[in-house]
Amino acid sequence: QSALTQPPSVSGSPGQSVTISCTGTSSDVGSYNRVSWYQQPPGTAPKLIIYEVSNRPSGVPDRFSGSKSGNTASLTISGLQAEDEADYYCSSYTSSSTLRFGGGTKLTVL
Amino acid sequence: QVQLVESGGGLVKPGGSLRLSCAASGFTFSDYYMNWIRQAPGKGLEWVSYITSGNTIYYADSVKGRFTISRDNAKNSLYLQMNSLRAEDTAVYYCARQANWGLIWGQGTMVTVSS
Repeated sequence: QSALTQPPSVSGSPGQSVTISCTGTSSDVGSYNRVSWYQQPPGTAPKLIIYEVSNRPSGVPDRFSGSKSGNTASLTISGLQAEDEADYYCSSYTSSSTLRFGGGTKLTVL
Repeated sequence: QVQLVESGGGLVKPGGSLRLSCAASGFTFSDYYMNWIRQAPGKGLEWVSYITSGNTIYYADSVKGRFTISRDNAKNSLYLQMNSLRAEDTAVYYCARQANWGLIWGQGTMVTVSS
């Protein structure tokens, strides 16, 4: 059960946009619209920011958006703010009825 | 609002056992799938297990045969019985409610397996 593939780190300046990719296989990301994204600032629990590929829970700014193409899902954060600095994780349902997480991406706001 | 409070973590020797609990409030507990996810120190998230509202259960291969998930809807509580613990089970364990294939998380409880 290997993890979904995410870049270890991304960075951007305030006001810019960044995109974090999450690559799986036809047994998970490619077959289901059950991809979610989580934000985890240091020392805190993860927080849901995107569910079912592109839906935002109430209270999550529309600067956060999600998409999917084939076996790769993406999280885009536009209008970067200092408070966005955190670790980001993707997750997908799998054909084995389990959940699989990405390895995580550290976002640095320059 | 949704609240999930984990308890039961601590220090245990290799080969030992521990039972984690998660007290849920702010929603109809029996309606939801519930998960355990863990995070080793300085590492990423690892899904451990979930139990559906109908009590169907799934486990990660890394814990299958050693861990048992259960729920008590009357007590609005989720449990994780962990046996034959190993050093690599050391992690913060999070309880999470699943809805629309997105997870809402508790604050976690730390489990340390060490002699």
